[in-house]
Amino acid sequence: GDSVTQMEGPVTLSEEAFLTINCTYTATGYPSLFWYVQYPGEGLQLLLKATKADDKGSNKGFEATYRKETTSFHLEKGSVQVSDSAVYFCALLKAGGTSYGKLTFGQGTILTVHP
Amino acid sequence: EPEVTQTPSHQVTQMGQEVILRCVPISNHLYFYWYRQILGQKVEFLVSFYNNEISEKSEIFDDQFSVERPDGSNFTLKIRSTKLEDSAMYFCASSTGLGTEAFFGQGTRLTVV
Repeated sequence: GDSVTQMEGPVTLSEEAFLTINCTYTATGYPSLFWYVQYPGEGLQLLLKATKADDKGSNKGFEATYRKETTSFHLEKGSVQVSDSAVYFCALLKAGGTSYGKLTFGQGTILTVHP
Repeated sequence: EPEVTQTPSHQVTQMGQEVILRCVPISNHLYFYWYRQILGQKVEFLVSFYNNEISEKSEIFDDQFSVERPDGSNFTLKIRSTKLEDSAMYFCASSTGLGTEAFFGQGTRLTVV
């Protein structure tokens, strides 16, 4: 079945450091890929998405490129801030056929940014 | 900005009791979902709901669980005879259409004692 694997966390960085959170997936067909973020005490928020190969999603300085050849969707940010401290979830979505919009999530990566 | 709202934010219940978790999806959305996250584990799909019926469910969603859209705005998850292992954060989500991104509520933390 479909699956998503994220790099093990937690990740601890100093402010202004470069961030990469790795995400790889296994799926048949052509899924859409997402990064969701969960800030402390809040729900899941969509951070960015990509719906086809080579698409780049971006938002709030974060970027991720849909790489079909490596089945990856790594999240990057050039300069993190303390306010980026949160849990980040990679997810895939397949729709059509027998799937009705079910998201498959990775295990989440806790990011802590220190001043 | 429209949002998905869930109530209560935290519920404590005794093992064997029934609980109902409530959600108000975004008003023009047509697809509704429940997910859960056991502490320290992945967010897991439970069920999707469209046109007043279940469209897909996971292996977790057994006869203990049921969903309902009792009126034009609410979407509920009922858990009958709760077990300790049902303790988790339960997220409701909604989307405009098949294949579009889901918007999530803040979650209900269910603790079964």
